[in-house]
Amino acid sequence: GAVVSQHPSRVICKSGTSVKIECRSLDFQATTMFWYRQFPKQSLMLMATSNEGSKATYEQGVEKDKFLINHASLTLSTLTVTSAHPEDSSFYICSARGQGRGTEAFFGQGTRLTVV
Amino acid sequence: AQSVTQLGSHVSVSEGALVLLRCNYSSSVPPYLFWYVQYPNQGLQLLLKYTSAATLVKGINGFEAEFKKSETSFHLTKPSAHMSDAAEYFCAVSGLTKTSYDKVIFGPGTSLSVIP
Repeated sequence: GAVVSQHPSRVICKSGTSVKIECRSLDFQATTMFWYRQFPKQSLMLMATSNEGSKATYEQGVEKDKFLINHASLTLSTLTVTSAHPEDSSFYICSARGQGRGTEAFFGQGTRLTVV
Repeated sequence: AQSVTQLGSHVSVSEGALVLLRCNYSSSVPPYLFWYVQYPNQGLQLLLKYTSAATLVKGINGFEAEFKKSETSFHLTKPSAHMSDAAEYFCAVSGLTKTSYDKVIFGPGTSLSVIP
């Protein structure tokens, strides 16, 4: 299957700082990327959908000014957690889909964010 | 709107026994259905997918699932459990518009334990 690389895999930051997470499709063009958040022992909660060159579409209840998503190219999307607080600590996972590749979404390995 | 339910947040089976993980979906359009597996602190790996072809779908690691439209189900089975099958399993649905912009909606997950 196609490869989606997510970086970093683990990050610890101080409260009030911002953290950027990258999601790259390595061998295909990702027309659409999805960002999920996962709390321990829970399912994946879709945060937003980003289409290359367009503004991201956020799910209800997700603060767009808090979680900045940029999908500037067909192989890269970034999620920036701004002014992070301890309650933002979570596992963040991206996935990518490309047109012409059926409906399968390929997932990154996730980023464990800890805000202290 | 689409949604997924998974009956049983936790399932335990003995090594060598049948594995049955239940998934029911709700969709107003013909769905695409997926089963993913997640190991601790990792991303998701696709086990198998249904995309309106054969209703019995075979996946990796000996897993298979059967799409039953009349029951709106897509249960995951494996004839003989292996210790390495212990993980979290997620059923997912998409297919709203059959484009790459489709959201992938996840069920709550089922944690599978395999007893030696």
